[in-house]
Amino acid sequence: QKEVEQNSGPLSVPEGAIASLNCTYSDRGSQSFFWYRQYSGKSPELIMFIYSNGDKEDGRFTAQLNKASQYVSLLIRDSQPSDSATYLCAVPGDMRFGAGTRLTVKP
Amino acid sequence: DAGVIQSPRHEVTEMGQEVTLRCKPISGHNSLFWYRQTMMRGLELLIYFNNNVPIDDSGMPEDRFSAKMPNASFSTLKIQPSEPRDSAVYFCASSPPGLSNQPQHFGDGTRLSIL
Repeated sequence: QKEVEQNSGPLSVPEGAIASLNCTYSDRGSQSFFWYRQYSGKSPELIMFIYSNGDKEDGRFTAQLNKASQYVSLLIRDSQPSDSATYLCAVPGDMRFGAGTRLTVKP
Repeated sequence: DAGVIQSPRHEVTEMGQEVTLRCKPISGHNSLFWYRQTMMRGLELLIYFNNNVPIDDSGMPEDRFSAKMPNASFSTLKIQPSEPRDSAVYFCASSPPGLSNQPQHFGDGTRLSIL
């Protein structure tokens, strides 16, 4: 079983700052990762996926995968109050999620 | 396009009663997952089906829980008898073929309260 661990936070950043969310994994064979966002009272929704080493950018979001160090991170630039949510990382094919990191962006 | 449909959205019942949660996956998706989410334990995988066949039920907490998928468009999760500690939000999710690289699409969840 692949283990995925996240710092459950909570993480609080001021509006406009960069929020950095991290996830570590145990299985060196893991090739790809998903990031989901879950607003309070809602279901998780996919926001990013990354399949290869390095960075992947989508708007204000950047996913970074470092296979040598076995971690994957999500950076949110110019954080907005609407980014306040819990962020979950997941290994495709394993169907198990990290504990999630609760992010609060303060105006 | 219709997403994953779960029913009921909310369920409140007394302990000892049977509870049945329902899920309709997205058409064309061949994998279906049941999750339970609580503040203490986060999002836990209970069971998943591939092509209507249960593949991994190691997350089912005990024999009081059972899940079925009689066809590609319907699944149930049943708790009998229910207990207060079963109170949680239960999510159903589905994913298209190509499990190893496909994201899951979640339903809105069923908020279950056992009194």
